[in-house]
Amino acid sequence: EDQVTQSPEALRLQEGESSSLNCSYTVSGLRGLFWYRQDPGKGPEFLFTLYSAGEEKEKERLKATLTKKESFLHITAPKPEDSATYLCAADTGGGNKLTFGTGTQLKVEL
Amino acid sequence: NAGVTQTPKFQVLKTGQSMTLQCAQDMNHNSMYWYRQDPGMGLRLIYYSASEGTTDKGEVPNGYNVSRLNKREFSLRLESAAPSQTSVYFCASSVTGGFNSPLHFGNGTRLTVT
Repeated sequence: EDQVTQSPEALRLQEGESSSLNCSYTVSGLRGLFWYRQDPGKGPEFLFTLYSAGEEKEKERLKATLTKKESFLHITAPKPEDSATYLCAADTGGGNKLTFGTGTQLKVEL
Repeated sequence: NAGVTQTPKFQVLKTGQSMTLQCAQDMNHNSMYWYRQDPGMGLRLIYYSASEGTTDKGEVPNGYNVSRLNKREFSLRLESAAPSQTSVYFCASSVTGGFNSPLHFGNGTRLTVT
């Protein structure tokens, strides 16, 4: 059975305090690893897709990396507006074969 | 550009009542999906439509039916609501059903069944 585990469940940072979120996966035949951001009361918003081990993608203060067993979302010098729940999803064959993790709830304080 | 629009935003039903959740996308996407999100669990796929005219079951289809009305619209029906269907429901769409096509989500319908 495909499994995706995110850690930690919750993370509280001070503004400017860099950290990383983890997404470990055990799936058959990874085609891609997605990262989404979800604000309270909203739907997930697409951030990145990673396709192969060693790949990295960046967007503002976020950088996503991928290994054969896990993905990291690195947040550099976070700001309060980065507070959200971050979801990862392993794709093993298209939109109907996504396995989502339960998310990391990030709060960035002044 | 509205993206994916879901209605209603909130709904309270009594056990046994029926309702239809509506979803429309204006991005000319081919594939559409219905997910539910429950505390402590990842998003779970209820039904999907790879293209207009086709629908297939996902991971948790029991108690639900869907209709792909046209390319833009994909509705989810609860025929006889149960408390276990209390959840947040998300509709999503993607350009194709392929593995390189990220999902775009609506803002959800929060459903409570009493």
